[in-house]
Order: sequence, then C-alpha cells, then structure tokens
Amino acid sequence: GAGVSQSPSNKVTEKGKDVELRCDPISGHTALYWYRQSLGQGLEFLIYFQGNSAPDKSGLPSDRFSAERTGGSVSTLTIQRTQQEDSAVYLCASSLGTGREQYFGPGTRLTVT
Amino acid sequence: GQNIDQPTEMTATEGAIVQINCTYQTSGFNGLFWYQQHAGEAPTFLSYNVLDGLEEKGRFSSFLSRSKGYSYLLLKELQMKDSASYLCAPLDQKVTFGTGTKLQVIP
Repeated sequence: GAGVSQSPSNKVTEKGKDVELRCDPISGHTALYWYRQSLGQGLEFLIYFQGNSAPDKSGLPSDRFSAERTGGSVSTLTIQRTQQEDSAVYLCASSLGTGREQYFGPGTRLTVT
Repeated sequence: GQNIDQPTEMTATEGAIVQINCTYQTSGFNGLFWYQQHAGEAPTFLSYNVLDGLEEKGRFSSFLSRSKGYSYLLLKELQMKDSASYLCAPLDQKVTFGTGTKLQVIP
C-alpha cells in the first residue's frame, strides 16, 4: 500500500521567503510527527498531532514555524521568513497511535540561500 | 524531559556480532524503539520493547532493562548493508530520538 509521501522533495528558497511543506500520512494513521534533521545530526522533534487532541508544539524552534493538520489527514508545515539555519531535511512520520512504530516519508530537503 | 546516550560511532567486521548500547532517562516510560537509518534515507523501524528481556527478530535482537534505563541492539552475522545509523528512541508521552550510532561494517 501507499506509504507516507512528502512534497516537494527538494525546495530552494531565498532567505526571508515563506515555505510550505506537505505531508500525506498513511491512511488510518491517527498520529503524525514532523522532525528536522541537519546533515550528520540526529532527528529533532518539531511537532506531533494525535487524533483530535491539541498538537504538541514543544519542539518548534521559533514562532516562525507552524503546522496544521486538516481533517486528521494531510499536514502542512509552514516556515515564515526563512533563515539559512532552517536549511535541513524535514521528515514527516505517521503511526497508528502513540505507542506504535512510525513510518517515515522520504523527506523534504530545504535549502535557504 | 529525556536524556538519551548512545555511542556516536562504531566499527565492526563483516560476519561478526556487534552490540549497540543505549541508556536513557525519561520522566515516564511506555516502551523503546530502535530504528535504522541509511545515509540519505529516512529511518525505518527495527524493534519495539516494552517489557524487560530480549526480543529476537532474525539477525537483529533488542534487549531492555527498565530498572536500569538500558537497552541494546544486537546485530549478528553482520553484512555490509548493515552500515547505517541506529537510533534509540524511548517513548513516554511521545517518542524522542537519540542522536544515533553510526555503524560502519568493514570487510
């Protein structure tokens, strides 16, 4: 079946511009996570959605970052006024629930010039 | 919060056995995951332990001791394709990933 998909796969943007990254989770998965991974570094948690509960935004690095999940399915991560330090791979994952294994999408490689 | 500690890098020989250790401190505990991540790719699930003891799955096994805040991933009959990063990820309210152990398998 279809896995987690993300778009775009690559995004190059100029400093100061806004970007939107999209994640389509596996159908039926109630949990959705966003992570950021810089080159050679570990996974940095950004935000977590679980069903209809309020999202856990504790990992968002600044108020320039926001995310929403519409209809319990597709999610969009928005970065406003991008900075060079935002350059990283942004990974989305979904799971059947909090205590279940996560399935990762291929990621969006963001480059801010 | 969570504190996760695993070695940064390890090297092992093809055909050998390697053990990757992870110690963690969490405010709550609801299980521990291990993930594999090849360079340039997304992580993939390897194992999940919620009770103490060893879980075996083919060449890979994972061990958990909740009282010690300790887990390890055991890889047997190493193959070149096992060269990857291995991420320890304890779960309390949500999963938190360690920085990973980069394993290099050499001939």
